[in-house]
Amino acid sequence: AQKVTQAQTEISVVEKEDVTLDCVYETRDTTYYLFWYKQPPSGELVFLIRRNSFDEQNEISGRYSWNFQKSTSSFNFTITASQVVDSAVYFCALSDANSGYSTLTFGKGTMLLVSP
Amino acid sequence: DGGITQSPKYLFRKEGQNVTLSCEQNLNHDAMYWYRQDPGQGLRLIYYSQIVNDFQKGDIAEGYSVSREKKESFPLTVTSAQKNPTAFYLCASSTDIAYNEQFFGPGTRLTVL
Repeated sequence: AQKVTQAQTEISVVEKEDVTLDCVYETRDTTYYLFWYKQPPSGELVFLIRRNSFDEQNEISGRYSWNFQKSTSSFNFTITASQVVDSAVYFCALSDANSGYSTLTFGKGTMLLVSP
Repeated sequence: DGGITQSPKYLFRKEGQNVTLSCEQNLNHDAMYWYRQDPGQGLRLIYYSQIVNDFQKGDIAEGYSVSREKKESFPLTVTSAQKNPTAFYLCASSTDIAYNEQFFGPGTRLTVL
């Protein structure tokens, strides 16, 4: 069975601080994909990144960066110089390789509160 | 603009009534999904459909039903058999390519009184 654990339920930071959101996953598949989504107060999930199991390169997109380590089954997400607009719930998710379609297993999410 | 629409945004029903949540997409995606979100629980898969006239149960399908008569539409019915239907419901779609990201609608918040 697949599982995604986001141990941090809620994180509070002050604007301009860096913050890392942790994600640990479990799967028996050798081929899988990992995702991060952002859910602002409006409720709609916004796709941030997809990473496949064969690509362990870190990725940076503006203030966002992701650290994928298969050795520790982790896919952590760092926001540099956080802003109030970053306040949201962030979900890490894992794809199901067996179905051939991207049925996702989600973690419970981490609520990030960025105060001015 | 391409996207996914869900209506209504807020829905109230009396206990014991069936209710149908709408989901429409104009992204030409083959696959569509329904999730339920409860506070602190993340998203849980209810049903998904890979092609028209075909759908599969997800992790929490009991008390729910779906249909997929058109590629663009994937309505979800919350039946009276669902013991705790009050939740936030999210619809999503993806292409037929494996492992592609899912795109989500704005969600419907259902409250059963």
